[in-house]
Amino acid sequence: SQTIHQWPATLVQPVGSPLSLECTVEGTSNPNLYWYRQAAGRGLQLLFYSVGIGQISSEVPQNLSASRPQDRQFILSSKKLLLSDSGFYLCAWTLSGTGSFSGNTIYFGEGSWLTVV
Amino acid sequence: KQEVTQIPAALSVPEGENLVLNCSFTDSAIYNLQWFRQDPGKGLTSLLLIQSSQREQTSGRLNASLDKSSGRSTLYIAASQPGDSATYLCAVRRNYGGSQGNLIFGKGTKLSVKP
Repeated sequence: SQTIHQWPATLVQPVGSPLSLECTVEGTSNPNLYWYRQAAGRGLQLLFYSVGIGQISSEVPQNLSASRPQDRQFILSSKKLLLSDSGFYLCAWTLSGTGSFSGNTIYFGEGSWLTVV
Repeated sequence: KQEVTQIPAALSVPEGENLVLNCSFTDSAIYNLQWFRQDPGKGLTSLLLIQSSQREQTSGRLNASLDKSSGRSTLYIAASQPGDSATYLCAVRRNYGGSQGNLIFGKGTKLSVKP
């Protein structure tokens, strides 16, 4: 069966410090991978998605970046955190689909709470 | 621009009651709609996925319906239990290209089932 792991679960970082959140998927190959942010009262927002190694698409301009160094590894990073980067970050995956998108069920990790102080 | 709205934002019911959660979306050109459950401080768990060609999906005590033309979906929970307490989110997937069929989420309905 497939599983998704995300860490760290919680993180408190000072403004201006770097960030690295890691996500790995097991039990599947060539998944589509996603990073979402859930801010209080704002719902989930897609930050990045990836359809393959080294292929990253950004949905919104921001202070964050993403990388996919291996097929089932997705990393969310920042060189200098801002207060506004605080939130709940969720990694997710779907089976890769045909055409331009996948209509499959999306599976989420347990999330990472980031507090920037 | 697709917008997803969930009403009510919060709901409190006594145990055993049947209840309906509502989700509406502004653009009927969707590929599918999913309902999720989120426990406090946790990730999302997919409950039901309805393809745009389908009218409803059922899983145990849960039944989700989809009326694409009117831009509405409902999640029906039968015989609610305290363990059903969580935030329920709906999300629609666009059916046109670009960002891999980006999911657009509602803000959720926070359900509390009192014993």
